[in-house]
Amino acid sequence: QVQLQESGPGLVKPSETLSLTCTVSGGSISSYYWSWIRQPPGKGLEWIGFIYSSGSVNYNPSLKSRLTISIDTSKNQFSLKLTSVTAADTAMYYCARDSGDSSGYYSYWGLGTLVTVSS
Amino acid sequence: QSVLTQPPSLSGAPGQRVTISCTGSSSNIGAGFDVHWYQQLPGTAPKLLIFRNANRPSGVPDRFSGSKSGTSASLAISGLQAEDEADYYCQSYDSSSLSGSYVFGTGTKVTVL
Repeated sequence: QVQLQESGPGLVKPSETLSLTCTVSGGSISSYYWSWIRQPPGKGLEWIGFIYSSGSVNYNPSLKSRLTISIDTSKNQFSLKLTSVTAADTAMYYCARDSGDSSGYYSYWGLGTLVTVSS
Repeated sequence: QSVLTQPPSLSGAPGQRVTISCTGSSSNIGAGFDVHWYQQLPGTAPKLLIFRNANRPSGVPDRFSGSKSGTSASLAISGLQAEDEADYYCQSYDSSSLSGSYVFGTGTKVTVL
C-alpha cells in the first residue's frame, strides 16, 4: 500500500522560505503525478501544484512566482519550496498522489503537516 | 477564491437524503472536465469518495453517488448516517490560466441532526 509522509519545520518566520518534503513508501515514485495541497485552519482546500516523475511541473497561478516543486526519484521523495511567506501561508500542507491514469484525482494522501508562519 | 462553488452547510436527519451541489463554469466543469469528490472527517486528511463524476472507489458505500450536468455536479448521500458528518469537497480542472490548474470547491459541511 502506498504511503506518503510530509516532513519539515512546523514554524517559519515571515519573509523566509517554507520547505517541505514528501517521502513515498510502498510503491515507486515513477509514472505518477505528485501534488501539494494546503488547507488554512478552518478553511477549504487549495491546490498548490504538481510534479510528474519526469520533472515537469504545473503550479497554481496565484503561487507560481514564489513556488518550486522538485523531485528526487532516487530517494522516492518530492519537495516544495515557497518563498517570502506571510501569515496567509499558515496551513496544513498535504502531499498526494494521483490515480495514474491522468484523470487528476487523488487516491493517496499524506497525513498532513501543519506549518505556522509567525515571528 | 475557488472557482467551484458549494453550499457552506447542509443538514439532515438520519436516514434522509442530502445533495451537495458544485457549481462551476465553462472553463472547468462546463468544458467537460471530470469532477471528483472527497470526504474530510474532522482532524483527518481528505479521502476520495467519487472519481470521474460518478465512480466509487472500492470500500465506499453505495449510499454515495455522483452526477454531472452542464456546468454543475452533485454528490448525493442517501440513508444519511451519523458517520457521514464531515466536510465534502468537489475537485476539477480549470483551463482559464495559461497552463491550466486543478481546483477544489469551497467545501460543504454536512451535519447529521
